[in-house]
Amino acid sequence: GQNIDQPTEMTATEGAIVQINCTYQTSGFNGLFWYQQHAGEAPTFLSYNVLDGLEEKGRFSSFLSRSKGYSYLLLKELQMKDSASYLCAVEGEGGKLIFGQGTELSVKP
Amino acid sequence: DAGVIQSPRHEVTEMGQEVTLRCKPISGHDYLFWYRQTMMRGLELLIYFNNNVPIDDSGMPEDRFSAKMPNASFSTLKIQPSEPRDSAVYFCASTLGGRETQYFGPGTRLLVL
Repeated sequence: GQNIDQPTEMTATEGAIVQINCTYQTSGFNGLFWYQQHAGEAPTFLSYNVLDGLEEKGRFSSFLSRSKGYSYLLLKELQMKDSASYLCAVEGEGGKLIFGQGTELSVKP
Repeated sequence: DAGVIQSPRHEVTEMGQEVTLRCKPISGHDYLFWYRQTMMRGLELLIYFNNNVPIDDSGMPEDRFSAKMPNASFSTLKIQPSEPRDSAVYFCASTLGGRETQYFGPGTRLLVL
């Protein structure tokens, strides 16, 4: 079966660091994506991991452990504009993306 | 590039009516995906095409849904007849090579009364 789990919502303070976890069980694994989606808008690409380890891109970093079926997205120096839904997506068989339900992040002043 | 273009952006219709959603992928992209997003089920893949050919339609909910891609720059998703449970945001996305970043269109917000 296909199962991707993320926390439903999280709250953090402006300037702080937040880690959003994602665990997955899928038939086939070709990589893991993180997308950001602001309310009423389309998802936009944040990061892609195919090998174990940490990928850093500015204030955002993403980690993958394929043996544990686990990933996290780390957001540093949080800004109010980071308030959004963060979607974990596993690329499975045939290149299909299977999305988690998303984590709604609220950044407070 | 203009990005992925979808039309209409909003659609309100009555149960039983036919609904046609349209998508223009990014020029040069060879994969096109149709997704549906609801609060209850999140973002679900409905169908995807490679070089205008449908590859996997296992996500299409039922026979009321159909999708076509007559050429590399245009695709349609049709619902006939529509039902209130079809109310959702429908996204189209495209990519080059299939295993690269998918670029999403702005979505069509469908409300079936």
